[in-house]
Amino acid sequence: DGGITQSPKYLFRKEGQNVTLSCEQNLNHDAMYWYRQDPGQGLRLIYYSQIVNDFQKGDIAEGYSVSREKKESFPLTVTSAQKNPTAFYLCASSMMGQKSYEQYFGPGTRLTVT
Amino acid sequence: SQQGEEDPQALSIQEGENATMNCSYKTSINNLQWYRQNSGRGLVHLILIRSNEREKHSGRLRVTLDTSKKSSSLLITASRAADTASYFCATDVYGNNRLAFGKGNQVVVIP
Repeated sequence: DGGITQSPKYLFRKEGQNVTLSCEQNLNHDAMYWYRQDPGQGLRLIYYSQIVNDFQKGDIAEGYSVSREKKESFPLTVTSAQKNPTAFYLCASSMMGQKSYEQYFGPGTRLTVT
Repeated sequence: SQQGEEDPQALSIQEGENATMNCSYKTSINNLQWYRQNSGRGLVHLILIRSNEREKHSGRLRVTLDTSKKSSSLLITASRAADTASYFCATDVYGNNRLAFGKGNQVVVIP
């Protein structure tokens, strides 16, 4: 089955700890994205990557870091510098090219920091 | 920054009725996309309409785009209980697939 997976589904951490969220895709997509969703809100872009070993900040990158060492993987680290890390995190991927393409989303990781 | 702004925010309808929701945006776009999100899940792509298109259909979905008014509408005809979800519009402003999402419309279809 082709798709995009995120793990774990639920994650609990103590304040002050870094935590890494996993995102893997086997769709052979060049581009990958991380979004944050707060209750009753839309999605806000954290980071995105259009090619291996390259990534760009989105609208709310502060307190987050990413890496793109492999085409299939785009892990997100929520650092202790992120002031309000509790949220629903969504990873997505898409083809890249001269026209726009739909994004395919993973099932999400709900992070709770206490 | 947020581009899409959906209106109305919440809609409750009877099964079989049509549901219409709107989205407005602020700057020129290359395309506009609609997504559905069931509670606590990831988003699912519904339809993409390009800036040179005015209307597009997919099954029970009809999307219109008015670039002069910077607005789009999504119509779901003959709604079903399974259509209960949040619906988001997203705009591709830069043409590089970087999307800006609206806050979403919550639709409840009552069986």
